[in-house]
Amino acid sequence: GQQVQQSPASLVLQEGENAELQCNFSTSLNSMQWFYQRPGGSLVSLFYNPSGTKHSGRLTSTTVIKERRSSLHISSSQTTDSGTYLCALNNNAGAKLTFGGGTRLTVRP
Amino acid sequence: EAGVTQSPRYAVLQEGQAVSFWCDPISGHDTLYWYQQPRDQGPQLLVYFRDEAVIDNSQLPSDRFSAVRPKGTNSTLKIQSAKQGDTATYLCASSRRLGQNTLYFGAGTRLSVL
Repeated sequence: GQQVQQSPASLVLQEGENAELQCNFSTSLNSMQWFYQRPGGSLVSLFYNPSGTKHSGRLTSTTVIKERRSSLHISSSQTTDSGTYLCALNNNAGAKLTFGGGTRLTVRP
Repeated sequence: EAGVTQSPRYAVLQEGQAVSFWCDPISGHDTLYWYQQPRDQGPQLLVYFRDEAVIDNSQLPSDRFSAVRPKGTNSTLKIQSAKQGDTATYLCASSRRLGQNTLYFGAGTRLSVL
């Protein structure tokens, strides 16, 4: 089965609403990263977060290893937050990252 | 510093044709990755290199796909005899050292096989 699963697959918000994106993994974890991808654009790293909670502006990432999950919280969403959010893990099997399927976020004005 | 550069940005092929993708990683990065991203899916690793050596190509369809990084800098991914199922965006990424988890991605090459 898939090692990394993301939910929801898609999400539509009104500007100003908050969002909670989930990433669940079925294998051991060495590190967890969150990426942002604009349609037709490259991936931009948001967080490198192997455990605990990290903040960056309106974004918060929390990884709980023993529960095999990581979340990305977006507060006060803006239309420019629209795009795909991807989580990726490294499970000690070398340097490669295994990605989830992504959450496609649309923020309407 | 300049980012990861990929070319071409787009490619449209008929089934059976061949195509090559080119990647120039960030200067000084020893590890280079090729990912395939089908539409509405997450990226899936095809192959990665440390310098000129292949570290893992277990997910690369070896009958039609090949990848090289002869001088440990630029890399080329080639598809012989493309199939419709190869339609996807091909992403190149690099990291400073093998095992360092901060990856920097290029904009990708969007391939359509008709």
